Amino acid sequence: QKEVEQNSGPLSVPEGAIASLNCTYSDRGSQSFFWYRQYSGKSPELIMSIYSNGDKEDGRFTAQLNKASQYVSLLIRDSQPSDSATYLCAEGDGANSKLTFGKGITLSVRP
Amino acid sequence: DTAVSQTPKYLVTQMGNDKSIKCEQNLGHDTMYWYKQDSKKFLKIMFSYNNKELIINETVPNRFSPKSPDKAHLNLHINSLELGDSAVYFCASSPNTTYEQYFGPGTRLTVT
Repeated sequence: QKEVEQNSGPLSVPEGAIASLNCTYSDRGSQSFFWYRQYSGKSPELIMSIYSNGDKEDGRFTAQLNKASQYVSLLIRDSQPSDSATYLCAEGDGANSKLTFGKGITLSVRP
Repeated sequence: DTAVSQTPKYLVTQMGNDKSIKCEQNLGHDTMYWYKQDSKKFLKIMFSYNNKELIINETVPNRFSPKSPDKAHLNLHINSLELGDSAVYFCASSPNTTYEQYFGPGTRLTVT
């Protein structure tokens, strides 16, 4: 059974710093990975998807995928208090579009 | 304007009752999902339908029965509610070509 691990956290960074969120996965054959942001009391919101080894940048967010080491990370540059939320890492199943989620990392950005 | 909507937003009921949650998406997506998020915020897939056909059915008690009357709607009926069913239930949808799923606002179910 697929597992997605997000073991570090909660994470607290000062405003303007880089926040680094990490995630490891168990299935070496997995091809697709996602980061969702969930504010307290709200629904998960997709912020990044990554399918190939390397980096993918979108504004202040950079997703990094290393398939050899089976980890995926999310960097948030110039962190803002509005980035304070729980970040969920998810792995896609090639057969049937199922996502397996990690337990999430709670990020707090201090003004 | 709403992409994925769910009703009701809150549901408080007693043990043993039967209740339904409705979901609708206007994104034109082919696949819809039900997730359960427990008190520890762990988000777990329950069911998925693609064009009204069930494609994912995780180990969920058979008291839970999804129904998809058309590809824009996916409802969840729960029989004989138990205390452990208390959670937030999210509906989501995605286009066939990607796993990028879009979530509804959630239904907070409280069983007393």
